[in-house]
Amino acid sequence: AQSVAQPEDQVNVAEGNPLTVKCTYSVSGNPYLFWYVQYPNRGLQFLLKYITGDNLVKGSYGFEAEFNKSQTSFHLKKPSALVSDSALYFCAVRDIGGNTPLVFGKGTRLSVIA
Amino acid sequence: GAVVSQHPSWVICKSGTSVKIECRSLDFQATTMFWYRQFPKQSLMLMATSNEGSKATYEQGVEKDKFLINHASLTLSTLTVTSAHPEDSSFYICSARETSGGGTGELFFGEGSRLTVL
Repeated sequence: AQSVAQPEDQVNVAEGNPLTVKCTYSVSGNPYLFWYVQYPNRGLQFLLKYITGDNLVKGSYGFEAEFNKSQTSFHLKKPSALVSDSALYFCAVRDIGGNTPLVFGKGTRLSVIA
Repeated sequence: GAVVSQHPSWVICKSGTSVKIECRSLDFQATTMFWYRQFPKQSLMLMATSNEGSKATYEQGVEKDKFLINHASLTLSTLTVTSAHPEDSSFYICSARETSGGGTGELFFGEGSRLTVL
């Protein structure tokens, strides 16, 4: 079975500083990995995905994530945080092959302080 | 990116009534849609996989007779909460994946529907 772990419930960072939101995963085969962001009372917005190829994936709003197969991690990063980045971030995974649903982590709330 | 529309955004109903939530893929076809439920400050819980033209596949612990799912066309799936009770109050989110692209694409999510049962 596939699973995702986001070890931090909350991440606080000062505006302008780099941010990292951690994610580790477990799948039986090769993974498809995703990051989504959710603002209050809204649906999820896609940020980026890793399917294959370069381990460093660049996405929307200046976010990027690095796939690390040996550590089974897919941490989300941004070089310089903005107050508007404050939101709930979800990491998700699914196995390659078949039309399987995504399995989500529990989410990490990011607060960027001015 | 592809757009998924969900309606209504907010609904308040009396206990014992039924509520229907619609999920539409506006600019792409989706043979499969997924329905999630999100409790406050918690992650998304997959309820069921909606398959166009066939029965939905429900996750363990989800009552199929209570949460009726219909996927009548390639662009529309509906979730009906039957005989709603206060404990059904939640944020329901649908999602769809484009059928093209070999199934590697990301899920596109609706804006969610906040159900409050009085």
